[in-house]
Amino acid sequence: SQELEQSPQSLIVQEGKNLTINCTSSKTLYGLYWYKQKYGEGLIFLMMLQKGGEEKSHEKITAKLDEKKQQSSLHITASQPSHAGIYLCGADAGGDMRFGAGTRLTVKP
Amino acid sequence: DAGVIQSPRHEVTEMGQEVTLRCKPISGHNSLFWYRQTMMRGLELLIYFNNNVPIDDSGMPEDRFSAKMPNASFSTLKIQPSEPRDSAVYFCASSFRRWTSGGDGGETQYFGPGTRLLVL
Repeated sequence: SQELEQSPQSLIVQEGKNLTINCTSSKTLYGLYWYKQKYGEGLIFLMMLQKGGEEKSHEKITAKLDEKKQQSSLHITASQPSHAGIYLCGADAGGDMRFGAGTRLTVKP
Repeated sequence: DAGVIQSPRHEVTEMGQEVTLRCKPISGHNSLFWYRQTMMRGLELLIYFNNNVPIDDSGMPEDRFSAKMPNASFSTLKIQPSEPRDSAVYFCASSFRRWTSGGDGGETQYFGPGTRLLVL
């Protein structure tokens, strides 16, 4: 089965700092999703990457899928307290969703 | 524990028919989520419950969709009448929400195997 490994598991940054979260797959990724979860809420879809080398941005969040399609990174520029939460990467494995363990991000004012 | 249980695993129905999806969360969990998975957008949150009470149903597409949680161990998602565009995989997830100060984190959600719905 496809396994997704996220790193780091948790991250504490000062407001205004940049940060990167990684998601590595044991198999080629044909569709990689990034989600954010805030406390007590459901997953919020951020973006989806399909093509090797693809890069997408939404506000201050940028996600990339490497050329070999086995790793994705999520980069946040000038972090804000509103960015705090758990970031999950997910992949569609033939109809079954697989998720990484999540990265818990804390942004200190 | 058996994990989150969903039924049926597959459902094929004709347009206009009523469809009921079922979910049994993990025992002891107090939050339950319904998601719909599409190819381009992955999981989209439809509705979630805390302690059997619907908290946010803003993701429910339209009035044809309704969800209930009559008790802590059971929830249903109903589509009436169903349409071909409702064809998707529907996931249920549960978690245990702890009350903490700050609240900038989250709790792990455990997903069921999903129900693959095809509306002809």
